[in-house]
Amino acid sequence: DTEVTQTPKHLVMGMTNKKSLKCEQHMGHRAMYWYKQKAKKPPELMFVYSYEKLSINESVPSRFSPECPNSSLLNLHLHALQPEDSALYLCASSQELVSSYEQYFGPGTRLTVT
Amino acid sequence: GENVEQHPSTLSVQEGDSAVIKCTYSDSASNYFPWYKQELGKRPQLIIDIRSNVGEKKDQRIAVTLNKTAKHFSLHITETQPEDSAVYFCAASKEGTGRRALTFGSGTRLQVQP
Repeated sequence: DTEVTQTPKHLVMGMTNKKSLKCEQHMGHRAMYWYKQKAKKPPELMFVYSYEKLSINESVPSRFSPECPNSSLLNLHLHALQPEDSALYLCASSQELVSSYEQYFGPGTRLTVT
Repeated sequence: GENVEQHPSTLSVQEGDSAVIKCTYSDSASNYFPWYKQELGKRPQLIIDIRSNVGEKKDQRIAVTLNKTAKHFSLHITETQPEDSAVYFCAASKEGTGRRALTFGSGTRLQVQP
């Protein structure tokens, strides 16, 4: 399996809802990432997990809560979001080897906050 | 932190012509420079990358050059085809330092006219 998968593909939620985004990879990668991408903009890093431990949090508001239950899974829990949080949320993974830096992206979850 | 600038923001070429996209970075410690292609509604796809110990890398119609002294790198696409139409992002990161975070350029929308 050489893919990063994400569910759901689309999500519409109200500002009082709680929802979760899911990311999965079976490439044996030990680093996983969440990025946020607004329309016509580049991806912006949110979180990095390395060996299931949070290693980077780019000052993301607490209404976004990441979780890495195991080396293949990455979740992003959403609560009390704002309309400006509407975006494409991309998951990525990479090896944790000095010789292999490539990051591979999932197809994303398109989130709309109403 | 790292800052990556990308030019041009849009590029229109005739099929068969060459296309060149340029990026500059600010952090001299950055050592890994990937290029991603993102078609409308799809995930960013890694198309080529280069590390700081290499000046040039080629893969069929795509090549990347790196000038460490000037802190800039470029993507060259030869014999462009309509399917090359997409948004291209350059990125930079400092691998091997524990900070595995990609900083993206603002993107170039390439349109190949048949």
